[in-house]
Amino acid sequence: NAGVMQNPRHLVRRRGQEARLRCSPMKGHSHVYWYRQLPEEGLKFMVYLQKENIIDESGMPKERFSAEFPKEGPSILRIQQVVRGDSAAYFCASSLLASGTGYEQYFGPGTRLTVT
Amino acid sequence: AQTVTQSQPEMSVQEAETVTLSCTYDTSENNYYLFWYKQPPSRQMILVIRQEAYKQQNATENRFSVNFQKAAKSFSLKISDSQLGDTAMYFCAFMKIGGSEKLVFGKGTKLTVNP
Repeated sequence: NAGVMQNPRHLVRRRGQEARLRCSPMKGHSHVYWYRQLPEEGLKFMVYLQKENIIDESGMPKERFSAEFPKEGPSILRIQQVVRGDSAAYFCASSLLASGTGYEQYFGPGTRLTVT
Repeated sequence: AQTVTQSQPEMSVQEAETVTLSCTYDTSENNYYLFWYKQPPSRQMILVIRQEAYKQQNATENRFSVNFQKAAKSFSLKISDSQLGDTAMYFCAFMKIGGSEKLVFGKGTKLTVNP
């Protein structure tokens, strides 16, 4: 059973460009979370999605950031008009959200975004 | 809003010795989980151990155990017989059950195991 997959692993964008980060959850998982890790910091929640629905986007910046999890295909985190402050590692996690699994979230390897 | 505090930015321990990492949290919730995650230099987040708030017994996973003090809102991680491969960042995390089940992380403790 493949784990959570994220691509690309590294992404370099110039200021003003768009960044698209992809996440394929573990097989059978319909709950996807995105977290951002700034240098020397812990991970911070951005958004929680189920198939075709955004459930909680309370951690998402109001402008330039959007996320989707379509019926088919991976979840996408999109950052428009990137700025240097967007440079960070972006992690995706998936879950069954069942008490029997201890609500464990399985993390992907992350995408390191560098804005030049 | 819940907060998680890890007061030790860095710690070191000799191989084969025992080390304890501290974590405190603030919440008014009763139904929640607590987690310790390990992040080695590869940056992959690895679940080390979890604790359900309503369980009084402290969780144990091989060389890893926790000291969960619910009234004090404290959740420390003890690593016994430390190994070089334990060198990593360790993050304490809180999850409220009954909302979006998002994780709230502390800032982490950088643990170095010395040979």
